[in-house]
Amino acid sequence: NAGVTQTPKFQVLKTGQSMTLQCAQDMNHNSMYWYRQDPGMGLRLIYYSASEGTTDKGEVPNGYNVSRLNKREFSLRLESAAPSQTSVYFCASSDSAARPQHFGDGTRLSIL
Amino acid sequence: DQQVKQNSPSLSVQEGRISILNCDYTNSMFDYFLWYKKYPAEGPTFLISISSIKDKNEDGRFTVFLNKSAKHLSLHIVPSQPGDSAVYFCAAFFGANSKLTFGKGITLSVRP
Repeated sequence: NAGVTQTPKFQVLKTGQSMTLQCAQDMNHNSMYWYRQDPGMGLRLIYYSASEGTTDKGEVPNGYNVSRLNKREFSLRLESAAPSQTSVYFCASSDSAARPQHFGDGTRLSIL
Repeated sequence: DQQVKQNSPSLSVQEGRISILNCDYTNSMFDYFLWYKKYPAEGPTFLISISSIKDKNEDGRFTVFLNKSAKHLSLHIVPSQPGDSAVYFCAAFFGANSKLTFGKGITLSVRP
């Protein structure tokens, strides 16, 4: 059972390039989330989708856009990548706010 | 303002002894707390949780204690095993708000 699948696992971009990070879950969860993890900073929420058709900003949304394509898929887009967006990005899903989130294995993104 | 604090960045314990990982929070609205464990190059995985109506929750070797008056929770691992070596994140949320707030994490090393 796959759980939460993120693609790609690694990516190197040049400043100003655009990219979409893909996330899909097979657990029929309603809520999906995008986080970034930076050294010494823990996990910070970028955007989330409480249910299909809704998206909301998290703690650090600037420079990102998201699309909840359907119940399974939630993508994160960097329109014009900046070196400050070098990070490890995690997607997560949960059945509801009261349920623990399940995480993917992350996308390691470097922006030169 | 950091609402969930894990003030010790690392902890080293001997195999077989107790590991105590601490977490403090500032937002008195938080009513549900979770611990996640993260190995390198993997996503966080849910470990244990506790509701604010309880002061203790056990799951095998893992016990979480909650002291609401002190706004403090701790994760006890007994006995500690080398496989427990990982980064542990404390997280919290409240009510219908589906956004988790994470601490910065603590790296646990269990020495054989």
